[in-house]
Amino acid sequence: RKEVEQDPGPFNVPEGATVAFNCTYSNSASQSFFWYRQDCRKEPKLLMSVYSSGNEDGRFTAQLNRASQYISLLIRDSKLSDSATYLCVVNNPRGSQGNLIFGKGTKLSVKP
Amino acid sequence: NAGVTQTPKFQVLKTGQSMTLQCAQDMNHEYMSWYRQDPGMGLRLIHYSVGAGITDQGEVPNGYNVSRSTTEDFPLRLLSAAPSQTSVYFCASSLTGVQGGYTFGSGTRLTVV
Repeated sequence: RKEVEQDPGPFNVPEGATVAFNCTYSNSASQSFFWYRQDCRKEPKLLMSVYSSGNEDGRFTAQLNRASQYISLLIRDSKLSDSATYLCVVNNPRGSQGNLIFGKGTKLSVKP
Repeated sequence: NAGVTQTPKFQVLKTGQSMTLQCAQDMNHEYMSWYRQDPGMGLRLIHYSVGAGITDQGEVPNGYNVSRSTTEDFPLRLLSAAPSQTSVYFCASSLTGVQGGYTFGSGTRLTVV
């Protein structure tokens, strides 16, 4: 099993749609979880951390299910500017503080 | 603040050449990392550092060296470039390590011919 797995995508949605991305991770000892966004030919940028109780930032909602080792990202009222690749990221508990594991990403394309 | 600065942005090397990818941050971050990103592979950790004088290997360290003599700088050295090292390289830094997330530089696109 890969350490971080994501929906393969691509997701093609109309403006205003709600879209959900899923991610699973293999090591139950992981403690830190994130969603990053990466635009084409650009660097990854932190979108939001994911907390056990779930958290929301505007149109974005992240959920964590530790029992199922499952992370989700919900985007409501999609905008054209949301088009990007979304990366699920967890810490590597076998490493030290510097060690993150990235999923391969799910590409989102929002159409007019 | 400039954030994380990587140079050069683009580089073409011949097989067997050596070079250093530069990374500097002005945020006084203790934690710094180097990743490579290849199509269909996602980002993979090469080396990382949790402070000046401390470095460790990541998932794909072979063919690369790092050093961390100052908090600000974390150069990545390619010892003898190979076509398999053709990739996009990202440097990243963090104040708090994995709890707080990382800030990435804009990347170096390296082609080895």
